[in-house]
Amino acid sequence: EAGVVQSPRYKIIEKKQPVAFWCNPISGHNTLYWYRQNLGQGPELLIRYENEEAVDDSQLPKDRFSAERLKGVDSTLKIQPAELGDSAVYLCATRGAGYEQYFGPGTRLTVT
Amino acid sequence: EDQVTQSPEALRLQEGESSSLNCSYTVSGLRGLFWYRQDPGKGPEFLFTLYSAGEEKEKERLKATLTKKESFLHITAPKPEDSATYLCAATTQGGSEKLVFGKGTKLTVNP
Repeated sequence: EAGVVQSPRYKIIEKKQPVAFWCNPISGHNTLYWYRQNLGQGPELLIRYENEEAVDDSQLPKDRFSAERLKGVDSTLKIQPAELGDSAVYLCATRGAGYEQYFGPGTRLTVT
Repeated sequence: EDQVTQSPEALRLQEGESSSLNCSYTVSGLRGLFWYRQDPGKGPEFLFTLYSAGEEKEKERLKATLTKKESFLHITAPKPEDSATYLCAATTQGGSEKLVFGKGTKLTVNP
C-alpha cells in the first residue's frame, strides 16, 4: 500500500512570494491533516479535513494561509505571501482506523 | 490547555545499553497516546497506540507502556539503527482529534 505522497520535497522562495504544497493521501483515508514542524519541535496542526470539508482550521493563519481538498482526495496548502517565519517543514497526514495518523515525508520550506 | 512533555531532550546510549524515554501528558480526556519515530529529513513513522492505563505494546526492541499520567518507551539492547527522534503525542476525546505532540527525544546509539 502506498503511503502519503507530498511534493515538492524542498522549496526555497523569497519572502512575499507565494508557495503551494501538494498532498496525496493513503487510498481510502478520509481524514487528512496539515501540520507544520519547526526545528526541534513536534508537529503542530494547521487544518483537518473530513473528506472535502475543513472541520478544524482554528490554527491556520487565515490572513496568508489557505487550503483546499477538492473531491475529498488530494489537498493543497498555500501561503501567500510567505514570510521569513514560515520556514519550516510542512507535513501532511491521514488517519487510519484506530486514530493513528500516517505522515508523508514533508516539504521543507525555506523563505529567504 | 492540553500538554505533552517529553524527557530527556537527548539521550546517548552505547549499543546494548537499555533505557527508557518518558512522556508525561496533561490532557482533558485521553483518547489515545501515540509514539512515533522520526528520522532526519523524513516524516514521523507510526509505532504504537495506547488507549488505557496499564496497556503495553511491543515491537522488536521497543516496548511502550501507559499510566494515567505518563507513558514510557523502553528500548532494550538498542542498536545504532535505533538512533532517531522519538515523538510522543496525545489525542483527546471531544471531537477535535488533533494530535498534541511533545518536542521529542533525540536518541543516539553508539556502536
